[in-house]
Amino acid sequence: GDSVTQMEGPVTLSEEAFLTINCTYTATGYPSLFWYVQYPGEGLQLLLKATKADDKGSNKGFEATYRKETTSFHLEKGSVQVSDSAVYFCALISQGGSEKLVFGKGTKLTVNP
Amino acid sequence: KAGVTQTPRYLIKTRGQQVTLSCSPISGHRSVSWYQQTPGQGLQFLFEYFSETQRNKGNFPGRFSGRQFSNSRSEMNVSTLELGDSALYLCASSSLRGSGRVNTGELFFGEGSRLTVL
Repeated sequence: GDSVTQMEGPVTLSEEAFLTINCTYTATGYPSLFWYVQYPGEGLQLLLKATKADDKGSNKGFEATYRKETTSFHLEKGSVQVSDSAVYFCALISQGGSEKLVFGKGTKLTVNP
Repeated sequence: KAGVTQTPRYLIKTRGQQVTLSCSPISGHRSVSWYQQTPGQGLQFLFEYFSETQRNKGNFPGRFSGRQFSNSRSEMNVSTLELGDSALYLCASSSLRGSGRVNTGELFFGEGSRLTVL
């Protein structure tokens, strides 16, 4: 079945450091890929998405590129801020597959000033 | 517009009891999904409802059930609670795309109902 594997962390960085959170997937059908973010005490919110191979999703300085050849969708940000401290979830939905959003286990990011 | 609203936010139950959680989706959204979030298992899909019909179901025992009303509000019920049911239960709403009612994966989540089973 569909699955997502992401580095579980936790990840601790200093402000202005470069961030990478790795995500790889296994899917039937033609998946769309997502990063969701959960700030402390809140529900998840969509950060960015990509719906086909080579698409780049971007939002709030975060980027991720849909790499079909490596089945990956790594999240990157060039300069993190304290306000980026949150849990980040990689997810996929496979049209023609289960059609339910499947999440990785999440990566907790802490950014120190 | 108002976001997804879940009630109650926190509740404590004892083993063997049952619990009902409520979710009001964003206005105009007719699809409601439920997820269980635990530190060990992460986010696990429970079920999805659209137009009062269960459209998709995860791998949970029959103690977990749900329903959706004509106004798209949804409830989930867990009967005969076990310690392992302690979790954050998240509801998410979405609008499905096109006449084929395609799930785009763009979900809007509530803040969750945190259930503690003692």
